Amino acid sequence: DQQVKQNSPSLSVQEGRISILNCDYTNSMFDYFLWYKKYPAEGPTFLISISSIKDKNEDGRFTVFLNKSAKHLSLHIVPSQPGDSAVYFCAARAGDAGNMLTFGGGTRLMVKP
Amino acid sequence: KAGVTQTPRYLIKTRGQQVTLSCSPISGHRSVSWYQQTPGQGLQFLFEYFSETQRNKGNFPGRFSGRQFSNSRSEMNVSTLELGDSALYLCASSLAGGGLMRKLFFGSGTQLSVL
Repeated sequence: DQQVKQNSPSLSVQEGRISILNCDYTNSMFDYFLWYKKYPAEGPTFLISISSIKDKNEDGRFTVFLNKSAKHLSLHIVPSQPGDSAVYFCAARAGDAGNMLTFGGGTRLMVKP
Repeated sequence: KAGVTQTPRYLIKTRGQQVTLSCSPISGHRSVSWYQQTPGQGLQFLFEYFSETQRNKGNFPGRFSGRQFSNSRSEMNVSTLELGDSALYLCASSLAGGGLMRKLFFGSGTQLSVL
């Protein structure tokens, strides 16, 4: 049973436009959500996070939105750049789980020049 | 500040063998977590250590084990290797464990191939 799902395996966007990556979860105990970016043969790199007490968090070109009632979060990248091309993972943590994260399956973002 | 260091970078083993992977966390980080990445299952949590104690364990068989040393370095061991253990094994370190969530910093991983 996948508790964190990224239903779009891939997304293609033109440079300069907005990229929107989506993530759904089922476990209502999740209280902290993170987005990671991963290049091939490298470990994931932390991008941005959000606590369940917030509905939005912004860091430069990256904004994460959380809709708790829908159990849905999204990552917006504006403007998209070719260097953003990578696999993006959303991850979630339940309140009592320390640093144990449950990851989604990832979305491959391709930003075309 | 040096990042999370994992050794070796690549490893080839045969079925039935055992393997030990090593992880050196970022200096000052006391929490080390291990994850397995496979094409079919994605990134899955193996276990987390904090101050030499295992805090959490994922849903993996007992063939997967780990430990953490007093200097926070960690090792994970897989015994009686199976073909399905072929994966990228990622180590992540963090300043704290327990209830206080901190950013996880990942190493580049050890790519294990079981033949």
